[in-house]
Amino acid sequence: TQLLEQSPQFLSIQEGENLTVYCNSSSVFSSLQWYRQEPGEGPVLLVTVVTGGEVKKLKRLTFQFGDARKDSSLHITAAQPGDTGLYLCAGGDDKIIFGKGTRLHILP
Amino acid sequence: NAGVTQTPKFQVLKTGQSMTLQCAQDMNHEYMSWYRQDPGMGLRLIHYSVGAGITDQGEVPNGYNVSRSTTEDFPLRLLSAAPSQTSVYFCASTRSQGDTEAFFGQGTRLTVV
Repeated sequence: TQLLEQSPQFLSIQEGENLTVYCNSSSVFSSLQWYRQEPGEGPVLLVTVVTGGEVKKLKRLTFQFGDARKDSSLHITAAQPGDTGLYLCAGGDDKIIFGKGTRLHILP
Repeated sequence: NAGVTQTPKFQVLKTGQSMTLQCAQDMNHEYMSWYRQDPGMGLRLIHYSVGAGITDQGEVPNGYNVSRSTTEDFPLRLLSAAPSQTSVYFCASTRSQGDTEAFFGQGTRLTVV
């Protein structure tokens, strides 16, 4: 059974700081996705990483896929209050499974 | 452009009652799925469908039934609601099985008393 472990579970930091959250598995994934979910809404896809070692940038967000395709990280530079939300990683071929998420709170 | 539409948004049931959560998508997506989201548990897969007439179980299928008679619709049925089924339910769709971008509905918040 494929599992995705996310850490930390909660993170509260000041505006302007940098942060990294992680998504790890003992299984190899053909790709991993990162979603962001805001209160009262469904998750929205941010990015998909496919190739081992791949790095993708989305403005101040940098996503990396591990060389062995078992893990991924999300780095946010100069966090802003608008980055507050639940960040979920997901993956799977037959069916999409999700990690438990990192709840991020950026303090103004 | 509606995307994935779930109804109702909120529902309160008494233990033992039955109900159907509706999900419809207008993107002609083959793959549809139902998740439940509980605090600290993330999104857990209940049932999924790779196309009309085909359904399969996810991680937590007990107490739920699904059917897929059309490409557009994927209803989730609770046959005899239990307090443990209090949760937020999300329907999602992707273009096909193995596609990486899932589109989600806005969710149904269900409380079973």
